[in-house]
Amino acid sequence: AQTVTQSQPEMSVQEAETVTLSCTYDTSENNYYLFWYKQPPSRQMILVIRQEAYKQQNATENRFSVNFQKAAKSFSLKISDSQLGDTAMYFCAFMTYSSASKIIFGSGTRLSIRP
Amino acid sequence: ETGVTQTPRHLVMGMTNKKSLKCEQHLGHNAMYWYKQSAKKPLELMFVYSLEERVENNSVPSRFSPECPNSSHLFLHLHTLQPEDSALYLCASSVSSASNEQFFGPGTRLTVL
Repeated sequence: AQTVTQSQPEMSVQEAETVTLSCTYDTSENNYYLFWYKQPPSRQMILVIRQEAYKQQNATENRFSVNFQKAAKSFSLKISDSQLGDTAMYFCAFMTYSSASKIIFGSGTRLSIRP
Repeated sequence: ETGVTQTPRHLVMGMTNKKSLKCEQHLGHNAMYWYKQSAKKPLELMFVYSLEERVENNSVPSRFSPECPNSSHLFLHLHTLQPEDSALYLCASSVSSASNEQFFGPGTRLTVL
């Protein structure tokens, strides 16, 4: 079975701090994409960052970066210099090449940034 | 805001009612999706449409009936729902069903009494 596990239901950090959200996944396939989605309190889910499993280099998008450990099936998200607008639910997800259109999501981590 | 809109944003209905959720995408995409988001559970994919044809039905009860009249519009018809069907229903679209990026709407918060 293909699963995504986010072991931190809630996290809270001070503004400007760095925070890391954890994610592990399980799949027997070798070719897949990994994602972090953000869902702010307004509820519109947006893609934060994407990683292709065949790429060894970790993806970065401005203050967001990932630590992708393929052998360990780990895909953590680091947010540097956190801002109040980063407050949201964060979902880790993946999609295999063979089952395109089926994104498997984790249960989410609720991140609060304190002023 | 993305180019995916959903109406209504909130809906309260009784178990014997019939209602419909509407999704519209303004992105020129060819694939559309319905997801169910329940508290403390992962998003559950319900239906996938590609070029107005249903390509995925994830064992969803028949009291949920999707309709895709064209590539820009997606409906979810609701009939004799149960209280456990209360959830946030999210619509999404992508360039194609093989795309690795989906764009989400704001969701409809459904409460079944």
